[in-house]
Amino acid sequence: EIVMTQSPATLSVSPGERATLSCRASQSISSNLAWYQQKPGQAPRLLIYGASTRATGIPARFSGSGSGTEFTLTISSLQSEDFAVYYCHQYNNWPPWTFGQGTKVEIK
Amino acid sequence: EVQLVESGGGLVKPGGSLRLSCAASGFTFSSYNMNWVRQAPGKGLEWVSSISSSSSYIYYADSVKGRFTISRDNAKNSLYLQMNSLRAEDTAVYYCARAAARTLTLMDVWGQGTTVTVSS
Repeated sequence: EIVMTQSPATLSVSPGERATLSCRASQSISSNLAWYQQKPGQAPRLLIYGASTRATGIPARFSGSGSGTEFTLTISSLQSEDFAVYYCHQYNNWPPWTFGQGTKVEIK
Repeated sequence: EVQLVESGGGLVKPGGSLRLSCAASGFTFSSYNMNWVRQAPGKGLEWVSSISSSSSYIYYADSVKGRFTISRDNAKNSLYLQMNSLRAEDTAVYYCARAAARTLTLMDVWGQGTTVTVSS
C-alpha cells in the first residue's frame, strides 16, 4: 500500500499570504496525484490533478507541482473562502488508492 | 448539471446490513467508472470501492472486502453499495464519486454524502 503523508497537519496563514502544503508518497506515483479541498459539512472538491493541472473552474492562485514522491500545493494569496482542509490523493495503477491525512488551513 | 445524489444511510446495529444508492444525472453514466469513498467522524478520506463503467473491473479496500459489494445499473443511472456484517468502524459519511474520463479513481464529481451509523 502506498502511504501518503501530508505536512503540516495545520497551517495558520493570514488572508493574502501564501500557503505551501506538502504531500509525500511512500513510493513513486509518477504524476498520478490529485489535491482536493473540503469545507465543513461539504463534499471534497477536486482542485488539481496530474500533480499540476487545475481542474475546471479552479482559480489560478492554486498551483501544484512535483512528481515521483514529493508534491506541493501552493495557494498564492489566501482568500477567505480558501480556509479548509486539503487532501492529497494518489490514483496510481493499482489498489488501494490512498489519501493523505489532510492539512487544515486556518486563519492566523 | 452534473449531479450525484446518495441515499440509503441510517442507523443500523452491529452485524446488520444497509444498501446505499447513488443516483447520477447530467452526464452519460454508462461511460464513467465510479467509486465509493467514506469519511469517519472527524477523520480523513478513505477509498472504499471502485467499479468500471461496464462492471468488468471491481476493487475493494481490504477493510471492507468480503462484506461490501459494489454494483451499478446503467439503465437506471445508479450506483449501489451493499454493506453486510457492519461494524462500528464502518460509521462514516459515504460519498459516491465519479472517476474522470480514462481513469478509475481520479474523482472529479462527488455527491453530498449519506451518513451511516453503526451502533447498538
